[in-house]
Amino acid sequence: DVKVTQSSRYLVKRTGEKVFLECVQDMDHENMFWYRQDPGLGLRLIYFSYDVKMKEKGDIPEGYSVSREKKERFSLILESASTNQTSMYLCASRSARLAGGSGELFFGEGSRLTVL
Amino acid sequence: AQTVTQSQPEMSVQEAETVTLSCTYDTSESNYYLFWYKQPPSRQMILVIRQEAYKQQNATENRFSVNFQKAAKSFSLKISDSQLGDTAMYFCAFMKGQGGSEKLVFGKGTKLTVNP
Repeated sequence: DVKVTQSSRYLVKRTGEKVFLECVQDMDHENMFWYRQDPGLGLRLIYFSYDVKMKEKGDIPEGYSVSREKKERFSLILESASTNQTSMYLCASRSARLAGGSGELFFGEGSRLTVL
Repeated sequence: AQTVTQSQPEMSVQEAETVTLSCTYDTSESNYYLFWYKQPPSRQMILVIRQEAYKQQNATENRFSVNFQKAAKSFSLKISDSQLGDTAMYFCAFMKGQGGSEKLVFGKGTKLTVNP
């Protein structure tokens, strides 16, 4: 089974702190994603990585950056956390190699971040 | 840009009954995929069912089936014989083209509660 592991289920940080959210997948997937989930807003894409060292901004990249130095790991960075970044963060991965592209995303359990 | 609309923020159903969740989307693409994802409380999101736009036959997965109306741009999910374990957030998602590098666009979700 595909496993997507997010390093922290719950984090509490203070305004202005630098925050790292780590995500690791074990299925050699090329694509990795970071979403933010808020009640009533659904899932919004923050950043997307096609492959190692490649990244693309999603719909709400402001205040975030990402790092993909190794294929299995995709990190989300909040350079200076703010209270409006309090949210649930979901990491997902996907194979880009399947014929026709199945499109199926495999999600981690999520990281609930509270910024005080 | 593609948009996905789920018009029912919350729904409830009695155990063993049938429930239908609505989803509409807007696109000018002819080749695309549609998905329903399920997020149980405090658990990771998983794929429920997938539909390729070029297939006229509606997808089914055990108790889950879709009603895909391409001309109307509608993609509803029917859950038959509802079970307590079906209680979850359900997200409809759209992806254009093939899965190599395309992003998914999610609706805002429908919270389904199955009552005993």
